[in-house]
Amino acid sequence: EAGVAQSPRYKIIEKRQSVAFWCNPISGHATLYWYQQILGQGPKLLIQFQNNGVVDDSQLPKDRFSAERLKGVDSTLKIQPAKLEDSAVYLCASSLGDRGKYNEQFFGPGTRLTVL
Amino acid sequence: AQKITQTQPGMFVQEKEAVTLDCTYDTSDPSYGLFWYKQPSSGEMIFLIYQGSYDQQNATEGRYSLNFQKARKSANLVISASQLGDSAMYFCATSGGSNYKLTFGKGTLLTVNP
Repeated sequence: EAGVAQSPRYKIIEKRQSVAFWCNPISGHATLYWYQQILGQGPKLLIQFQNNGVVDDSQLPKDRFSAERLKGVDSTLKIQPAKLEDSAVYLCASSLGDRGKYNEQFFGPGTRLTVL
Repeated sequence: AQKITQTQPGMFVQEKEAVTLDCTYDTSDPSYGLFWYKQPSSGEMIFLIYQGSYDQQNATEGRYSLNFQKARKSANLVISASQLGDSAMYFCATSGGSNYKLTFGKGTLLTVNP
């Protein structure tokens, strides 16, 4: 079974530029998550989708970050315009979403973003 | 709201010895889950073990066991017979809230010495 796919793996941009990340979850997984992991910290949830609807985006900086999950499969996370503090690893995860508190999430390899 | 505290920024252990990584949590949810993930230098998060708040027995998965003390709100990870490949960051997390989202701690960097 294929895992969670993400691209690109690395991205370097200058501040005020825009950037987009792509995620393809494990087939059949209804729930998709985007996390931001700043160096030296644990992942922080940015947005959670259930199928193609947003369940939680309370920690998404909506003035610059946007995300969509068209057709309930692939997802794209965009930052526009980027700031220096957006430098982080962006992790995508997916889960079946039907197991309540036992909600094992499978993570992709992440995209390392550097904003200069 | 949930909170995870991992007080050990770094730990060292000799190969083949056991090591305990500490985790305390705070949650207002009556039912919750506790997870441990491993993150090698390559960056991917690898699921290790899960404990439900109402599970009577401590969870075990191969060389990993979770020392769950509900009254003390602790969920320590025990790795037995450490291997060089166990060197990585280890994150404790709890699931809670209506959407069971994961809240992670800051992690512990484990180094296994030969």
